[in-house]
Parts: sequence; C-alpha cells; structure tokens
Amino acid sequence: AQSVTQLDSQVPVFEEAPVELRCNYSSSVSVYLFWYVQYPNQGLQLLLKYLSGSTLVESINGFEAEFNKSQTSFHLRKPSVHISDTAEYFCAVMGMNTGFQKLVFGTGTRLLVSP
Amino acid sequence: ETGVTQSPTHLIKTRGQQVTLRCSSQSGHNTVSWYQQALGQGPQFIFQYYREEENGRGNFPPRFSGLQFPNYSSELNVNALELDDSALYLCASSLLGKGYEQYFGPGTRLTVT
Repeated sequence: AQSVTQLDSQVPVFEEAPVELRCNYSSSVSVYLFWYVQYPNQGLQLLLKYLSGSTLVESINGFEAEFNKSQTSFHLRKPSVHISDTAEYFCAVMGMNTGFQKLVFGTGTRLLVSP
Repeated sequence: ETGVTQSPTHLIKTRGQQVTLRCSSQSGHNTVSWYQQALGQGPQFIFQYYREEENGRGNFPPRFSGLQFPNYSSELNVNALELDDSALYLCASSLLGKGYEQYFGPGTRLTVT
C-alpha cells in the first residue's frame, strides 16, 4: 500500500519569489512519482513525473522536482513564481508492477501567489 | 488529438437515487480510471477498466460500478446515493504500460441533497 503526505495545506508567496512544495510518501513497493496541478473548477493536469533515471525532473513551465529515495521525498520547486501559478498542487505515487495503474494522491497544497 | 471529456458538468440528486456519469477517453487510450475528489481532499481511486474489464478497485462499496465500452468510453454508476457521495468525479484515460501518466477530464460535480 502507498500513502502520500503533503504537510503544507497552503503556501502563500509573493510574485517572483522562490517556492518549495513538500511531498513525502510511504510505500511497500517501488513507486513512480507525479505532480499534478489543478486550476479552479478544472480537472488535473500532469506537471511532471519521475519514472527512472535522473532524480531531477523538470516541467516546461519552470517547475522541477527531485526524487530522494532515502528520504522518500519528491519536493516541487520553482525559483521564481508567477501570479498564474496560483493553483492546487497534488503529489501522487503509483506502485510499480501492481497489474493496474492506480494513483494515490496527497491532500494537496494550495499555492497562493500575490503581487 | 481530442482530450478526455466528461458529462454532465454538474448534477444534483436526492439521497437514495441512482446516477450515471459518462467519460470519453483520449484517442488511442485503452484504460480508464475513475476518482472521487471530496471538497478539500485529494482524488481517491475508485476503479480502473482495461479492455472492458475491471482490473483494479479502490476502497469503495459495490454500489459504485462501472462499464467500459469497445470505443473505450466509460460510465460510472452509483446506486443508493448518500450525502457523502457529494464530490467531484474525475475520469482519467491512459495507455496501460506506456508512460504511466493519466490524462484527466474536467470532472462532474455531483451534489446529493
């Protein structure tokens, strides 16, 4: 079984400031890791994923996340946020070799970017 | 390439009633998953269908059931609605074994009164 913990329910930051959204997970099997973003009244959009290889993965809009196996973490970072980054961010894991692809999500972190 | 679509957008039902939600998968995808997202929570996995068969289920009672059709569209049926069933229901399509990312639709907001 897997579980995901996002300790920060809300993170307020000023525009152009750096931000880190924390994600820790627990699993009895190896996992794939994902970050999804949800804008108001919309579904979820994949931001980035870690399947294998380099532990640092990047998105096209400047976000990056680093897989740390020893700390079972997959924190999301951006060096300079924009107003348009205001959204809910969900960290998720998927157990490998389980026969089906089930995402287990955290409770989400609301990123609030103000001018 | 057409994305994942869901209908209806919003729905209001009364406790005890039955509801059917619909999902049209992204072109080329053979797997559909359904998630329930209660207010202020992360999505919870309900079940997954692959080639018209349920191949995985989360911790939801049997009154939650589904179908996947040959064209890979899907339905989620909920019987004997309870107040706690009020949530955003998300459908996600994927290609089993390829890439592992799931593509989500905009969701159906169900309110049970």
